[in-house]
Amino acid sequence: DAKTTQPNSMESNEEEPVHLPCNHSTISGTDYIHWYRQLPSQGPEYVIHGLTSNVNNRMASLAIAEDRKSSTLILHRATLRDAAVYYCILSPLIVNKLVFGAGTILRVKS
Amino acid sequence: GAVVSQHPSRVICKSGTSVKIECRSLDFQATTMFWYRQFPKQSLMLMATSNEGSKATYEQGVEKDKFLINHASLTLSTLTVTSAHPEDSSFYICSAATLAGAEKLFFGSGTQLSVL
Repeated sequence: DAKTTQPNSMESNEEEPVHLPCNHSTISGTDYIHWYRQLPSQGPEYVIHGLTSNVNNRMASLAIAEDRKSSTLILHRATLRDAAVYYCILSPLIVNKLVFGAGTILRVKS
Repeated sequence: GAVVSQHPSRVICKSGTSVKIECRSLDFQATTMFWYRQFPKQSLMLMATSNEGSKATYEQGVEKDKFLINHASLTLSTLTVTSAHPEDSSFYICSAATLAGAEKLFFGSGTQLSVL
């Protein structure tokens, strides 16, 4: 499985944008970039996924580098409820299984 | 969105007993369900993949006789931790893929198992 690298933790102020980076230099042509997050004491939840083009949904935006070796998850206005562990995962479009890395702990300050 | 219900949310048991955890897809059919385990301050570790009507596929290092998985219907998978010991104490999470081919997984809310 292609590996992803994320910072261990990040901190943000409430109501400000947050950019969560992910490096995946060994990504293959069929790998999609998936993002999930896990709130404390909960199971993970889907955030967004993309292949080459930037993607937007109601939760976040995903900016993918032109060479696809990195991507950035963007939360446009962080709230206290966005405090979670964010996981960047490479997988085919049709998800067979997801292998989680260490993720990034996002702390949001009021 | 699709909902995966996991029960119980928390269980405390004595060493040597068996514990069953249920995972249900409430509003969709799931051909494939996945079971994860998560220790405190660590990431999720995939334990096994279960497909409806067939034997589960276990990840390397996971004892299939200790962690029994049954996926008898398209909406229900169960994980039984047999003869539980304190080192089995962990957060167990299930997830499901929809029948039609999933671009994302839906996760249960997890089960915190504490073995005394």
